Amino acid sequence: SQQGEEDPQALSIQEGENATMNCSYKTSINNLQWYRQNSGRGLVHLILIRSNEREKHSGRLRVTLDTSKKSSSLLITASRAADTASYFCATDAFAGANSKLTFGKGITLSVRP
Amino acid sequence: EPEVTQTPSHQVTQMGQEVILRCVPISNHLYFYWYRQILGQKVEFLVSFYNNEISEKSEIFDDQFSVERPDGSNFTLKIRSTKLEDSAMYFCASSDLPIKPQHFGDGTRLSIL
Repeated sequence: SQQGEEDPQALSIQEGENATMNCSYKTSINNLQWYRQNSGRGLVHLILIRSNEREKHSGRLRVTLDTSKKSSSLLITASRAADTASYFCATDAFAGANSKLTFGKGITLSVRP
Repeated sequence: EPEVTQTPSHQVTQMGQEVILRCVPISNHLYFYWYRQILGQKVEFLVSFYNNEISEKSEIFDDQFSVERPDGSNFTLKIRSTKLEDSAMYFCASSDLPIKPQHFGDGTRLSIL
């Protein structure tokens, strides 16, 4: 089955630094998405990249997708303490009504003030 | 910004009892989902729902589980006879199109005693 697996499992950086998180998956996808989860809260959608796209930006976020390597990366530039959260990649193999997300285990990001 | 709301935030139930978890998706969304996250594990897809019927379900979603959209606003997940291993955080999500991001609620923590 397809899997999103993130690395590293945990990342600690200083405020202002960039954070890079990676995700690998196993099977063909229609799109890949990144979500953030603050402790005790739900998943917040960050960015979606389609299988025919290679790079996408949204504010301080930059995501890349390499379908040949079945991998994606999420870059958060100029990190802030408020970026402290768990980050998940999720893949979707389908485009129709049977769309479903397959999540990785997540990366715990700590941004030190 | 519109939100997906879930109630209750925490449900404690005796093993063998029935539980109903409730969700109010974003009002103009047509695609609805349930996921669960067992403590320390990945977020797992349970079921997707569109046009008043199940579109896709996982192996986890056995005969003990059912979903319903009883009116124009609510989307419920029922577990008929709960087991200890049903203890998890259950997330509801909705989207306006299957290719669009899924918006998640804050979840219901289900504890089976």
